[in-house]
Amino acid sequence: AQSVTQPDIHITVSEGASLELRCNYSYGATPYLFWYVQSPGQGLQLLLKYFSGDTLVQGIKGFEAEFKRSQSSFNLRKPSVHWSDAAEYFCAVGPYNQGGKLIFGQGTELSVKP
Amino acid sequence: GAVVSQHPSRVICKSGTSVKIECRSLDFQATTMFWYRQFPKQSLMLMATSNEGSKATYEQGVEKDKFLINHASLTLSTLTVTSAHPEDSSFYICSAGGDRRAGNTIYFGEGSWLTVV
Repeated sequence: AQSVTQPDIHITVSEGASLELRCNYSYGATPYLFWYVQSPGQGLQLLLKYFSGDTLVQGIKGFEAEFKRSQSSFNLRKPSVHWSDAAEYFCAVGPYNQGGKLIFGQGTELSVKP
Repeated sequence: GAVVSQHPSRVICKSGTSVKIECRSLDFQATTMFWYRQFPKQSLMLMATSNEGSKATYEQGVEKDKFLINHASLTLSTLTVTSAHPEDSSFYICSAGGDRRAGNTIYFGEGSWLTVV
């Protein structure tokens, strides 16, 4: 079955600390992987995406993610978190070049302590 | 760049009435659009795939007679929530793209908050 798992429902980090949000997927075909961020009451903003090539992907706002096929993971990282990064983060997987039918993880809520 | 736009962003309707939400692709043609629903503090769940010129494909558990989808043109899909009830109150968001027409990029609309009172 196709699925995306984000094991951490809620994470709290101190401002300036590093961050890693976990994402594991189960997908039959070659996956097209995404990380989105959602602020309260807002739509989705794409942070980064991966289909092929370099397994370390750079995104916006200083985020990066590493695709590890052997672990079926696509973890999101940021070396130094800012208070404005507090939001809900979603990992998603879908088919490449076949439209945007995505399967989303449960989301991880990030809180940032001053 | 390519954008997907939703309207209205917020709507309040009375129980038993119907409400329509529009999803437009502004800079590219979309033969397929997708409708998701998100309850508070939950993830996005795919409701249906909107197909231009043909019937929508609904996910298991989604009532097709309650959530009417019309994709009459290559740039517009509409979701109509019929006979709305308070439990239909949710955040509805559409997406389009992910194919060569849109440069393989998936675009999400801004979302529409529906409150049924």
